[in-house]
Formats: sequence, C-alpha cells, structure tokens
Amino acid sequence: QVHFVQSGAEVKKPGASVRVSCKASGYTFTTYAMHWVRQAPGQSLEWMGWINTITGSTKYSQKFQGRVTITSDTSASTAYLELSGLRSEDTAVYYCARGVFGYCSGGSCWGSRYMDVWGKGSPVTVSS
Amino acid sequence: EIVLTQSPGTLSLSPGERATLSCRASQSIAGNYLAWYQQKPGQAPRLLIHGASNRATGIPDRFTGSGSGADFILTISRLEPEDFAVYYCQHYGHLFTFGPGTKVEIK
Repeated sequence: QVHFVQSGAEVKKPGASVRVSCKASGYTFTTYAMHWVRQAPGQSLEWMGWINTITGSTKYSQKFQGRVTITSDTSASTAYLELSGLRSEDTAVYYCARGVFGYCSGGSCWGSRYMDVWGKGSPVTVSS
Repeated sequence: EIVLTQSPGTLSLSPGERATLSCRASQSIAGNYLAWYQQKPGQAPRLLIHGASNRATGIPDRFTGSGSGADFILTISRLEPEDFAVYYCQHYGHLFTFGPGTKVEIK
C-alpha cells in the first residue's frame, strides 16, 4: 500500500532554514508528482508547490517564490522541501501529498491534478 | 488566482441527517478541476472527490460531489459518526488553491 514517511518535528529560530523529507513506498515514485501543502494551527490548507518527479521541474506558489525549494531523489523515492528565511508565521504542519499527473505520453508526464494520498505531516515551529 | 469560498463555516447536524456543503469559486473552473478533502483532528487530509463528481477509491457512496462552472456541492446523504470532520474544497490545475473549510459538527 502507498505510504509516506515524513521527517520529524523541527524547532527553528527566525531567519533559519528547514528541510523536510518525505520517503515514499508502495508505488513507483516517478509515476506520480509530489506536492507540498502546509497548515498553520487552526487554519486551512495552503499549497506551496510541486515537483515533476520524472523531469525534476518545479512549480511554486507565488507566495513562497524565492524562499522555497522542492527537490527529489528518485533513487531513494524521497522528496524534499526546503524553506528559508523562516518567520513565526511559518509555524505549521508540512504535508507531502502525491499528485496525479495531468497528461502522460511517451514516458513523460506534464501537469498535476488532485492529491490522492497524503503523508502524516511534519510539524515545524519557528520561535526565538 | 481562483479564490474559493465555502459555506456554511460550521454545520451542526445529527447522525443520520443529510449534509450539504457549498464551494463557490471566484471564476468558472475549467474542466471541473475541483476536489473535496476530509480532515479529522490530528490527521492528514483524505481525498473524497475529484473532477467535481468522481469518488476516490474506497470512498462510500453516501458522499456525492456535484456542480460545475463556479458552484459545487458536496452532499453526505446520511451522516455516520465518523463523518464529523472538516471538509475542504480545492481547485487544481496550473495553480492550486484550497477553500477555508466547512466544519461538520455533532448537534
């Protein structure tokens, strides 16, 4: 069955960076995209970006442009989220979520659609 | 960017009752690229519906998604105890946005 193991809770100081990992199992990593979504305490869900696990290309929410980097290691079936310049408002649970590709042809895929399986989340606290 | 509005903010119902949740977009959503997720306290979201009306794998048929254009509905025909949760709609495509959520609570 599809399963994600996310890295553990982090406590960071303002201005620092954090890296969160998401190791996938139960499916072929490159047959789906990977998204990152965060949820601040008591708030709704906020999409941060996604990576095409085949090509490595990324798309980020404009809100996080310049501060966020999403990468993946296909040999380890693992996706990573790095967020820099942390501030207190970045305190949240960070989820990885598998994304269905929009269109595939000849071994390549483009675009992503809905998120069908989610990791359990990685809490990140930013505090001085 | 498409903005999603959900109503009501909170729905107080009893088990066995019907729940009707609304999601309205700031502009028409092409391709009906609209999904619904359920989230229980302390858990990750769970996909219920995609493409406005397609149930995800393993989702009971008491959950029904409908609508098109800019107005979408999630209906839970008869609430079971495990259905009391927060429900989010999401637009997907070039960009991805979530609504603020509707909490379905026990009356």
